[in-house]
Amino acid sequence: GQQVMQIPQYQHVQEGEDFTTYCNSSTTLSNIQWYKQRPGGHPVFLIQLVKSGEVKKQKRLTFQFGEAKKNSSLHITATQTTDVGTYFCAANDRGSTLGRLYFGRGTQLTVWP
Amino acid sequence: NAGVTQTPKFRVLKTGQSMTLLCAQDMNHEYMYWYRQDPGMGLRLIHYSVGEGTTAKGEVPDGYNVSRLKKQNFLLGLESAAPSQTSVYFCASSSFGTGSQPQHFGDGTRLSIL
Repeated sequence: GQQVMQIPQYQHVQEGEDFTTYCNSSTTLSNIQWYKQRPGGHPVFLIQLVKSGEVKKQKRLTFQFGEAKKNSSLHITATQTTDVGTYFCAANDRGSTLGRLYFGRGTQLTVWP
Repeated sequence: NAGVTQTPKFRVLKTGQSMTLLCAQDMNHEYMYWYRQDPGMGLRLIHYSVGEGTTAKGEVPDGYNVSRLKKQNFLLGLESAAPSQTSVYFCASSSFGTGSQPQHFGDGTRLSIL
């Protein structure tokens, strides 16, 4: 089945530093979604990327989808303590069951004040 | 508008006991999912449903059964609980559409098997 590899597993940064998490697949993806899970909470949808080379921004968060639609990244500029949590990518590859997503293992972000 | 509601929120079971986790959504979503989340393992799909009366196996279905008798409800059953099933269980739902739609998650059920 589809595998989505996400790195790094953990990232510790000081407040104000930047943060990036990467998601890679060996197959071409139809789209990719990003979720955030706060400690003790549930995953919350952030964004979906569909087009090759697509870049979307949400305030300090920048999401990119690779030209070959096999990788994606989430970059946070000038992290804040409110950014703490685990960030997951999730993908639906071409030909797979509509609606079914394959989640990466997540990147757990810790921000020191 | 409650979204996705899971009951119970916490439960402790003894090995061999059975129980059912209930998931209810009020968004009229076609698709529903059950995941388990273990440290360092991300979200693993147990079973899912693409509509009322349908179910399908996910990545880790062994030891679990599901039913979708009503569109708004998705039940996850453990027939004979084992310590390896200690986990946080999340239910999610999504609408039908071209490509994948965002999944909406419940607050989770924290299950411990002793």
